Amino acid sequence: GESVGLHLPTLSVQEGDNSIINCAYSNSASDYFIWYKQESGKGPQFIIDIRSNMDKRQGQRVTVLLNKTVKHLSLQIAATQPGDSAVYFCAENTSGGSNYKLTFGKGTLLTVNP
Amino acid sequence: DAMVIQNPRYQVTQFGKPVTLSCSQTLNHNVMYWYQQKSSQAPKLLFHYYDKDFNNEADTPDNFQSRRPNTSFCFLDIRSPGLGDAAMYLCATSRDWYQETQYFGPGTRLLVL
Repeated sequence: GESVGLHLPTLSVQEGDNSIINCAYSNSASDYFIWYKQESGKGPQFIIDIRSNMDKRQGQRVTVLLNKTVKHLSLQIAATQPGDSAVYFCAENTSGGSNYKLTFGKGTLLTVNP
Repeated sequence: DAMVIQNPRYQVTQFGKPVTLSCSQTLNHNVMYWYQQKSSQAPKLLFHYYDKDFNNEADTPDNFQSRRPNTSFCFLDIRSPGLGDAAMYLCATSRDWYQETQYFGPGTRLLVL
Protein backbone atom coordinates (compact mmCIF):
# COMPACT_ATOMS: atom_id res chain seq x y z
CA GLY A 1 0.00 0.00 0.00
CA GLU A 2 0.95 3.64 0.29
CA SER A 3 3.95 4.62 2.35
CA VAL A 4 3.21 6.61 5.48
CA GLY A 5 2.96 10.28 4.61
CA LEU A 6 4.52 13.17 6.39
CA HIS A 7 2.51 15.01 9.00
CA LEU A 8 1.18 18.23 7.53
CA PRO A 9 1.45 21.52 9.35
CA THR A 10 -2.00 22.31 10.68
CA LEU A 11 -3.97 25.45 11.40
CA SER A 12 -7.20 25.37 13.36
CA VAL A 13 -9.45 28.43 13.43
CA GLN A 14 -12.93 29.35 14.51
CA GLU A 15 -15.58 30.08 11.92
CA GLY A 16 -15.59 33.77 11.11
CA ASP A 17 -11.95 34.34 12.07
CA ASN A 18 -9.31 35.31 9.56
CA SER A 19 -6.76 32.66 8.57
CA ILE A 20 -3.18 33.15 7.52
CA ILE A 21 -1.29 30.32 5.85
CA ASN A 22 2.41 30.74 5.28
CA CYS A 23 4.80 29.30 2.75
CA ALA A 24 8.55 29.59 2.28
CA TYR A 25 9.75 29.03 -1.25
CA SER A 26 13.15 27.88 -2.29
CA ASN A 27 14.19 29.48 -5.56
CA SER A 28 14.95 33.20 -5.65
CA ALA A 29 14.54 33.08 -9.45
CA SER A 30 10.89 31.95 -9.20
CA ASP A 31 8.64 34.64 -10.59
CA TYR A 32 5.15 33.19 -10.47
CA PHE A 33 3.30 31.66 -7.54
CA ILE A 34 -0.03 29.93 -7.09
CA TRP A 35 -2.12 28.91 -4.11
CA TYR A 36 -4.19 25.76 -4.43
CA LYS A 37 -6.90 24.33 -2.20
CA GLN A 38 -7.28 20.57 -2.05
CA GLU A 39 -10.25 18.94 -0.37
CA SER A 40 -10.09 15.32 0.66
CA GLY A 41 -10.26 12.97 -2.32
CA LYS A 42 -10.25 15.78 -4.89
CA GLY A 43 -7.75 17.44 -7.18
CA PRO A 44 -6.11 20.77 -6.29
CA GLN A 45 -8.28 23.77 -7.04
CA PHE A 46 -6.81 27.12 -8.10
CA ILE A 47 -7.40 29.91 -5.59
CA ILE A 48 -5.18 32.83 -6.53
CA ASP A 49 -1.86 33.59 -8.18
CA ILE A 50 0.72 36.35 -8.07
CA ARG A 51 3.64 37.39 -10.22
CA SER A 52 6.92 38.57 -8.77
CA ASN A 53 6.39 42.14 -9.94
CA MET A 54 3.63 42.43 -7.31
CA ASP A 55 3.67 42.33 -3.52
CA LYS A 56 -0.02 41.80 -2.95
CA ARG A 57 -3.03 40.55 -4.81
CA GLN A 58 -6.62 40.28 -3.65
CA GLY A 59 -9.44 38.02 -4.66
CA GLN A 60 -12.79 37.22 -3.16
CA ARG A 61 -12.10 36.78 0.58
CA VAL A 62 -8.47 35.87 -0.17
CA THR A 63 -5.29 37.90 -0.30
CA VAL A 64 -1.82 36.71 -1.26
CA LEU A 65 1.26 38.53 -0.04
CA LEU A 66 4.69 38.03 -1.55
CA ASN A 67 7.93 38.99 0.19
CA LYS A 68 10.74 38.32 -2.24
CA THR A 69 13.41 39.50 0.17
CA VAL A 70 12.83 36.58 2.51
CA LYS A 71 11.23 34.27 -0.08
CA HIS A 72 7.94 34.11 1.75
CA LEU A 73 4.39 33.81 0.54
CA SER A 74 1.21 33.99 2.57
CA LEU A 75 -2.47 33.37 1.94
CA GLN A 76 -4.99 35.27 4.01
CA ILE A 77 -8.58 34.07 4.11
CA ALA A 78 -11.11 36.50 5.53
CA ALA A 79 -14.12 35.36 7.55
CA THR A 80 -13.13 31.70 7.32
CA GLN A 81 -16.01 29.29 6.73
CA PRO A 82 -16.32 25.53 7.34
CA GLY A 83 -16.16 25.05 3.56
CA ASP A 84 -12.64 26.45 3.64
CA SER A 85 -11.42 23.36 5.50
CA ALA A 86 -8.87 21.71 3.22
CA VAL A 87 -5.16 21.35 2.55
CA TYR A 88 -3.60 24.45 1.04
CA PHE A 89 -0.53 24.25 -1.15
CA CYS A 90 1.66 27.02 -2.44
CA ALA A 91 3.46 26.38 -5.70
CA GLU A 92 6.28 28.24 -7.42
CA ASN A 93 7.01 28.32 -11.14
CA THR A 94 10.61 27.28 -11.52
CA SER A 95 12.87 26.70 -14.44
CA GLY A 96 13.76 23.08 -15.14
CA GLY A 97 16.40 23.65 -17.72
CA SER A 98 14.63 24.11 -21.04
CA ASN A 99 11.17 24.25 -19.54
CA TYR A 100 9.27 25.45 -16.52
CA LYS A 101 7.33 23.53 -13.93
CA LEU A 102 5.44 24.03 -10.69
CA THR A 103 7.17 23.00 -7.50
CA PHE A 104 4.72 22.47 -4.64
CA GLY A 105 5.27 23.26 -1.01
CA LYS A 106 4.43 20.74 1.69
CA GLY A 107 0.89 21.93 2.31
CA THR A 108 -1.01 23.15 5.35
CA LEU A 109 -4.16 21.54 6.70
CA LEU A 110 -6.74 24.16 7.62
CA THR A 111 -9.52 23.08 9.95
CA VAL A 112 -12.40 25.46 10.57
CA ASN A 113 -14.38 24.86 13.74
CA PRO A 114 -18.05 25.90 13.71
CA ASP B 1 -18.52 22.21 -17.23
CA ALA B 2 -15.81 19.64 -16.68
CA MET B 3 -12.51 20.97 -18.02
CA VAL B 4 -10.05 18.25 -17.02
CA ILE B 5 -11.59 14.82 -16.83
CA GLN B 6 -9.95 11.74 -15.40
CA ASN B 7 -11.14 8.17 -15.74
CA PRO B 8 -11.63 6.09 -13.82
CA ARG B 9 -11.89 7.87 -10.49
CA TYR B 10 -10.88 4.68 -8.68
CA GLN B 11 -8.76 1.90 -10.11
CA VAL B 12 -7.85 -1.39 -8.48
CA THR B 13 -5.11 -3.48 -10.03
CA GLN B 14 -3.00 -6.42 -9.07
CA PHE B 15 0.68 -6.36 -8.32
CA GLY B 16 2.53 -6.48 -11.65
CA LYS B 17 -0.56 -6.12 -13.83
CA PRO B 18 -0.31 -3.22 -16.31
CA VAL B 19 -2.77 -0.41 -15.82
CA THR B 20 -3.67 2.68 -17.84
CA LEU B 21 -5.15 5.89 -16.49
CA SER B 22 -6.69 8.44 -18.80
CA CYS B 23 -7.08 12.18 -18.87
CA SER B 24 -8.93 14.43 -21.26
CA GLN B 25 -9.32 18.19 -21.44
CA THR B 26 -11.74 20.59 -23.07
CA LEU B 27 -9.51 23.65 -22.65
CA ASN B 28 -7.37 23.11 -25.75
CA HIS B 29 -4.28 23.66 -23.62
CA ASN B 30 -0.83 22.97 -24.97
CA VAL B 31 0.62 21.36 -21.88
CA MET B 32 -0.59 18.28 -20.04
CA TYR B 33 0.99 16.99 -16.83
CA TRP B 34 0.87 13.85 -14.72
CA TYR B 35 1.48 14.03 -10.99
CA GLN B 36 1.64 11.37 -8.31
CA GLN B 37 0.36 12.28 -4.88
CA LYS B 38 0.71 10.09 -1.82
CA SER B 39 -1.11 10.57 1.44
CA SER B 40 -0.39 13.87 3.20
CA GLN B 41 2.22 14.82 0.58
CA ALA B 42 2.44 17.40 -2.15
CA PRO B 43 1.86 16.40 -5.77
CA LYS B 44 5.03 15.14 -7.42
CA LEU B 45 5.50 15.78 -11.13
CA LEU B 46 6.14 12.62 -13.15
CA PHE B 47 6.27 14.07 -16.68
CA HIS B 48 4.54 16.44 -19.03
CA TYR B 49 3.84 17.02 -22.68
CA TYR B 50 4.18 20.33 -24.45
CA ASP B 51 2.13 19.54 -27.54
CA LYS B 52 3.79 16.30 -28.64
CA ASP B 53 7.10 16.95 -26.93
CA PHE B 54 7.54 14.64 -23.97
CA ASN B 55 9.45 15.85 -20.88
CA ASN B 56 10.32 13.27 -18.26
CA GLU B 57 11.37 14.16 -14.73
CA ALA B 58 14.79 12.73 -13.90
CA ASP B 59 13.53 10.72 -10.94
CA THR B 60 10.45 9.23 -12.59
CA PRO B 61 10.81 5.44 -12.65
CA ASP B 62 10.91 3.70 -16.03
CA ASN B 63 7.84 1.79 -14.91
CA PHE B 64 5.82 4.91 -15.70
CA GLN B 65 5.13 5.82 -19.32
CA SER B 66 2.85 8.29 -21.02
CA ARG B 67 1.14 8.81 -24.35
CA ARG B 68 -0.54 11.82 -25.86
CA PRO B 69 -2.28 10.81 -29.09
CA ASN B 70 -3.88 14.23 -29.62
CA THR B 71 -4.33 17.60 -27.92
CA SER B 72 -7.26 16.47 -25.81
CA PHE B 73 -6.09 13.15 -24.41
CA CYS B 74 -3.17 11.94 -22.35
CA PHE B 75 -2.58 8.52 -20.80
CA LEU B 76 -0.48 7.27 -17.94
CA ASP B 77 0.69 3.69 -18.27
CA ILE B 78 2.12 1.83 -15.30
CA ARG B 79 3.79 -1.23 -16.75
CA SER B 80 4.23 -3.31 -13.61
CA PRO B 81 2.56 -1.69 -10.62
CA GLY B 82 4.12 -2.30 -7.24
CA LEU B 83 2.60 -1.73 -3.84
CA GLY B 84 4.52 1.54 -3.61
CA ASP B 85 2.71 2.88 -6.66
CA ALA B 86 -0.60 3.06 -4.83
CA ALA B 87 -1.42 6.75 -4.81
CA MET B 88 -3.63 9.45 -6.26
CA TYR B 89 -2.68 10.29 -9.84
CA LEU B 90 -3.47 13.81 -10.93
CA CYS B 91 -3.66 15.16 -14.44
CA ALA B 92 -3.27 18.89 -15.03
CA THR B 93 -3.22 21.21 -18.02
CA SER B 94 -1.94 24.67 -18.76
CA ARG B 95 -2.00 26.94 -21.78
CA ASP B 96 1.77 27.30 -21.63
CA TRP B 97 4.36 26.37 -19.03
CA TYR B 98 5.69 29.81 -18.12
CA GLN B 99 3.66 31.83 -15.64
CA GLU B 100 0.51 29.91 -16.45
CA THR B 101 -1.97 28.40 -14.06
CA GLN B 102 -2.28 24.64 -14.06
CA TYR B 103 -5.80 23.27 -13.87
CA PHE B 104 -6.18 19.89 -12.22
CA GLY B 105 -8.56 17.04 -12.77
CA PRO B 106 -10.26 15.22 -9.90
CA GLY B 107 -7.60 12.51 -9.82
CA THR B 108 -7.61 8.72 -10.05
CA ARG B 109 -7.05 6.79 -6.84
CA LEU B 110 -4.99 3.69 -7.62
CA LEU B 111 -5.01 0.71 -5.31
CA VAL B 112 -2.54 -2.12 -5.87
CA LEU B 113 -3.38 -5.50 -4.37
